[in-house]
Amino acid sequence: NIVLTQSPATLSVTPGESVSLSCRASQNIRTGIHWYQQKSNESPRLLIRFASQSISGIPSRFSGGGSGTDFTLSINGVESEDFSIYYCQQTYSSLYTFGPGTKLELK
Amino acid sequence: QVQLKESGPGLVQPSETLSLTCTVSGFSITSSSVHWLRQQSGKSLEWMGRMWSDGKTSYNSVFISRLSINRDTSKSQVFLKMNSLQTEDTGTYYCARNLYYYSGDGGFDYWGQGVRVTVSS
Repeated sequence: NIVLTQSPATLSVTPGESVSLSCRASQNIRTGIHWYQQKSNESPRLLIRFASQSISGIPSRFSGGGSGTDFTLSINGVESEDFSIYYCQQTYSSLYTFGPGTKLELK
Repeated sequence: QVQLKESGPGLVQPSETLSLTCTVSGFSITSSSVHWLRQQSGKSLEWMGRMWSDGKTSYNSVFISRLSINRDTSKSQVFLKMNSLQTEDTGTYYCARNLYYYSGDGGFDYWGQGVRVTVSS
C-alpha cells in the first residue's frame, strides 16, 4: 500500500498569512495526488487535481505542486473560511489511500 | 447538476449487516465510477471500494472478505453491503464519484452528504 504522510499535523496561522502544507508518499506516484478541504460536519471538497491542476470554482489562492514523492498545497493569503482540515489522496495505485490530514487553525 | 445521496440505517447491531444506498443524479453510473468511503470519528478517510462504469467492482483488501458493492442502473443506484459489523465500523459513510483523465484516475469531484452509522447494541 502507498502510505501518505502529511505535515505538520496542525498549523496555527493568522488570516492573511501564506502557508504551505506538505504531503509525502512512500513511493514514486508521479502526479497522482489530489487535495481536499473538509470543514467540520461536511463532506470533503476537491481543491487540486493531479498535484497542480486547478478546479473550477476553487479560489485562486489555493495552488499545488510537486511530483514523485513530495507534494505541497499552498494557500496564498489564508482567509477565515479556510480554517479546516486538509487531506491529500493518491490514485496512482488502484488501492486509493489518504493522508492523516493537516488541521489549519486560527492562531 | 451532479448529486449523490446516501441512505440507510443510522444504527446497526454488532455482527449484523450494513446496507446502504447511493442514489445519483446528473450523471450516469454507466459512464463514471462510484466509490464508497468511510470516515471514523476524528480520523482520516478510508477508501472501501468502487463500482466501475462497466459494472465490475474493486475492493480495499481490508474489507474484501465482508464487503460487496452492487448497482441498479435503471434506478441510478449503487449499493453497499458489509457484514459482521463491529463497534469499530462506526463512522460516516460516503459515496463519491471520480472521472478518468489522461493522467489517470482523478480525485473525487462530487460527494454525497454522508450517512452516520453507529454500531451498537
